[in-house]
Amino acid sequence: DVKVTQSSRYLVKRTGEKVFLECVQDMDHENMFWYRQDPGLGLRLIYFSYDVKMKEKGDIPEGYSVSREKKERFSLILESASTNQTSMYLCASSLFRGTGREQFFGPGTRLTVL
Amino acid sequence: SQQGEEDPQALSIQEGENATMNCSYKTSINNLQWYRQNSGRGLVHLILIRSNEREKHSGRLRVTLDTSKKSSSLLITASRAADTASYFCATDAGNSNYQLIWGAGTKLIIKP
Repeated sequence: DVKVTQSSRYLVKRTGEKVFLECVQDMDHENMFWYRQDPGLGLRLIYFSYDVKMKEKGDIPEGYSVSREKKERFSLILESASTNQTSMYLCASSLFRGTGREQFFGPGTRLTVL
Repeated sequence: SQQGEEDPQALSIQEGENATMNCSYKTSINNLQWYRQNSGRGLVHLILIRSNEREKHSGRLRVTLDTSKKSSSLLITASRAADTASYFCATDAGNSNYQLIWGAGTKLIIKP
């Protein structure tokens, strides 16, 4: 079974802090994704990566950056956390390029910025 | 941008009844997927239906796709308490972009 793990289930940070969210998948997937999920808004894509060191902006990249130095690991960075970044963050991976493949999700990180 | 829109937003039924959720989308697609999310957890893939398919089954799940109406439905038969979750549809944008576009979800509650 594919396993996607996220570094924290719950995280509380202060405004202005730099925040790192890490995601690791163990099935050699090429594609990895970072979403945020807010009530009533569904999942919104922040960034995705289809290969090591490759990244592409999603719908809401402002205030975020990402890093993919190894195939199995995809990090989301909040350079200077703000209260409007309080949200559930979900990481996902999928096997091949293209959208015809299912995405496998981690358990999520609920981030609160005070 | 949000393409899929689920209907209803919330659904509460008795255990053993069937549950039907609908998803509408705006542009042409290559495929449509349904996912389940248990409370406070990550999403789990349920089923994928391609644009040239009209119906697909997986256990107690039945998905239909009507590309002329740009809509899909997910039917869960003989519901169980464990089916309590939020259900999301996700579509591609009909192009080679890797992105999936998600609806806001239907919250399903199964009453014992």
